[in-house]
Amino acid sequence: SAVISQKPSRDICQRGTSLTIQCQVDSQVTMMFWYRQQPGQSLTLIATANQGSEATYESGFVIDKFPISRPNLTFSTLTVSNMSPEDSSIYLCSVVIGTGGGQPQHFGDGTRLSIL
Amino acid sequence: AQSVTQLGSHVSVSEGALVLLRCNYSSSVPPYLFWYVQYPNQGLQLLLKYTTGATLVKGINGFEAEFKKSETSFHLTKPSAHMSDAAEYFCAVSGSSGYSTLTFGKGTMLLVSP
Repeated sequence: SAVISQKPSRDICQRGTSLTIQCQVDSQVTMMFWYRQQPGQSLTLIATANQGSEATYESGFVIDKFPISRPNLTFSTLTVSNMSPEDSSIYLCSVVIGTGGGQPQHFGDGTRLSIL
Repeated sequence: AQSVTQLGSHVSVSEGALVLLRCNYSSSVPPYLFWYVQYPNQGLQLLLKYTTGATLVKGINGFEAEFKKSETSFHLTKPSAHMSDAAEYFCAVSGSSGYSTLTFGKGTMLLVSP
C-alpha cells in the first residue's frame, strides 16, 4: 500500500471563503480520487484527478465549485470554493496503485471541514 | 451501473458474539467487491476484496466474506467480536471491465457491548 497524507486534517472556515486541501502520496500512483462524506452519510465521488489534465467530475459536481489539480503522480489538491454551511463534510482523497481491474482504493485520513 | 445495499444502518453485538454485516449488490457486469472499515476520525481502511477465484475471502482482523453470485451478496462475518471492532463498515462494488470507480453502500455502524 502507500502512505497518504492529507492536509489540513480539519478546519473551521467562514462562509464565502475557499479552502485548498492537499493530498500527498509517498509513491507514484495510477489514479487519484476525491470524495465527500457528509455527516452520517456514505462516500460520494466528486471527481477523478487526472495527471496533467482537467479532472473528470461526477454528476452534481462542477469545476468552479471544486477545482482540482494534479501536477504529478504523487500530489493533488482539491479546493472548496465560496463555501456555505452545506459544504461541511469530510473530504477524502484515495489512490489506486498498480494497473488492472480489481485494484483497491487506499484512502487518506480525510479533512474534516466545518463552515460557520 | 452498479449499486450496493447494506441492510441495517446499525448492528449491535456483544463481545465474543458472531458479527454478520449484510451487503447485496447490483451490477451489469461481473463485479469486484470490497469491504472497508472506518474508525472515528480516520479514513477508510481496506478489510478485504473479491475479484476472481475463491469465493470465500479472508481479510484483516479476522474478518471474512463470501461472494454468492446467485444471491448477489457479499456478507461480512467475524466469528467473535472484539470491542475494537466497533466502527463503521462500508461495502463497495466496481465493475470488472477495466478500472471503474467504486460505488459505496450507505454503511453499517457496528456497536460492540461488553
